[in-house]
Amino acid sequence: GAVVSQHPSWVICKSGTSVKIECRSLDFQATTMFWYRQFPKQSLMLMATSNEGSKATYEQGVEKDKFLINHASLTLSTLTVTSAHPEDSSFYICSTGSYSNQPQHFGDGTRLSIL
Amino acid sequence: AQSVAQPEDQVNVAEGNPLTVKCTYSVSGNPYLFWYVQYPNRGLQFLLKYITGDNLVKGSYGFEAEFNKSQTSFHLKKPSALVSDSALYFCAVRPSNFGNEKLTFGTGTRLTIIP
Repeated sequence: GAVVSQHPSWVICKSGTSVKIECRSLDFQATTMFWYRQFPKQSLMLMATSNEGSKATYEQGVEKDKFLINHASLTLSTLTVTSAHPEDSSFYICSTGSYSNQPQHFGDGTRLSIL
Repeated sequence: AQSVAQPEDQVNVAEGNPLTVKCTYSVSGNPYLFWYVQYPNRGLQFLLKYITGDNLVKGSYGFEAEFNKSQTSFHLKKPSALVSDSALYFCAVRPSNFGNEKLTFGTGTRLTIIP
């Protein structure tokens, strides 16, 4: 299956800082990638669908100006948390899109802690 | 719209005993069904999928799942549990007639294997 590299694995930073998370599809051309947020002991919450060469599609309630997504190539999507605050602390996970009977493949996630 | 239910937030099983993690789904038409496992501070790993054919599908790490169309279920099973199977398990579904639809995930079941 596809290999997805996500980094950084851990980020600790001060409130007000902007943080960029990268998601790379290493062996698969991903026209679509997904960004999820996961709170402790909870399920995945889909934040947005990242589309190569076009604007991302955000889920209801997700602030597009807060969570900037760029998908400039078939192998890289980035999520930037702008002016991060403690309530943005969470585990963020990306995945490749998939089609038909193929599974989505996930990165290892990024633990973001805002002090 | 499709949906997935994992009725048990937590399942505890003694090491060496068989385990079952339950999943039921709702989808228009025929489903594509998936199981994923998540270890602490990691992304989701694909375990197995049902597309068509045999109702019993085998996957990674000795896991298998049984598709039951009449009960709209896709329960995950393993004959003999290992302590290393302790993790968070997610069931997911996609309708087969909407190939580019993103996966819909259940809320997850935390499996704990007791030594």
